[in-house]
Amino acid sequence: DAGITQSPRHKVTETGTPVTLRCHQTENHRYMYWYRQDPGHGLRLIHYSYGVKDTDKGEVSDGYSVSRSKTEDFLLTLESATSSQTSVYFCAISEPGRGSGTGELFFGEGSRLTVL
Amino acid sequence: GEDVEQSLFLSVREGDSSVINCTYTDSSSTYLYWYKQEPGAGLQLLTYIFSNMDMKQDQRLTVLLNKKDKHLSLRIADTQTGDSAIYFCAEPSGAGSYQLTFGKGTKLSVIP
Repeated sequence: DAGITQSPRHKVTETGTPVTLRCHQTENHRYMYWYRQDPGHGLRLIHYSYGVKDTDKGEVSDGYSVSRSKTEDFLLTLESATSSQTSVYFCAISEPGRGSGTGELFFGEGSRLTVL
Repeated sequence: GEDVEQSLFLSVREGDSSVINCTYTDSSSTYLYWYKQEPGAGLQLLTYIFSNMDMKQDQRLTVLLNKKDKHLSLRIADTQTGDSAIYFCAEPSGAGSYQLTFGKGTKLSVIP
C-alpha cells in the first residue's frame, strides 16, 4: 500500500471553529489532492498541489485553504467550519510513471469530519 | 459541466455476473479507470484500460470500452460476497492533467 497517512481519522467540531486535516506521504510523489466524499455526489476535488508551495483550486474549493511547505505534507484547513462541510475527506497522491504508469491516484484511508 | 455518470446501486446473487456501466465525457482521455472502495476504506485502483483498446480482461474482471458512445463497463464474473463495495469510474480531468474526475460510484451488493 502507498504510504499515506491522514490525521485525524475522526473529528467532531462545532460550527465556526477552525479545523486542519493533515496528509502525510512517504512516497515522494509530486502531486497531492484533497477530495471530499458525500452521498449522492461521489468524490469531488477540493484543492490539489503539483509541488512544494504550488497549489490550485478544484471543483469545490470555497471555504477551504491548503498549504504544502514540504513534499510529504499537504494540509487542508477549514477556517470556520460549517455543517455543510460535514463529510469524509480523502487525500490522494500521484506521480507520473509510478504504480500502473498511467498517473493513477493512491488514496489515504479518509478523515471523517462532523460539524455540529 | 458534464459529469461522469454511473448508476448508484446494483444488487446481484453470489455466483452471478455483475455489470457496472459508466458514461464518461472526454473522448480524448488516454486512460479510463475503475476504482473500488470497500466499507470504511479509501479507494484503490481495480483496473484501467488504455483508450486504444476495446477490451481488457484480468482474471474475473472484463472492461469494455466503446469510444464512440463514451461508454465504459466493468464486468465481474462469478461475483463473490467480497466484491461488495462501491465502484467508481474515473477519467483524467483534461489534457495533460494528472487530476481525475470520478463518477458518483455504484454500490454493489452481493446476496449470498
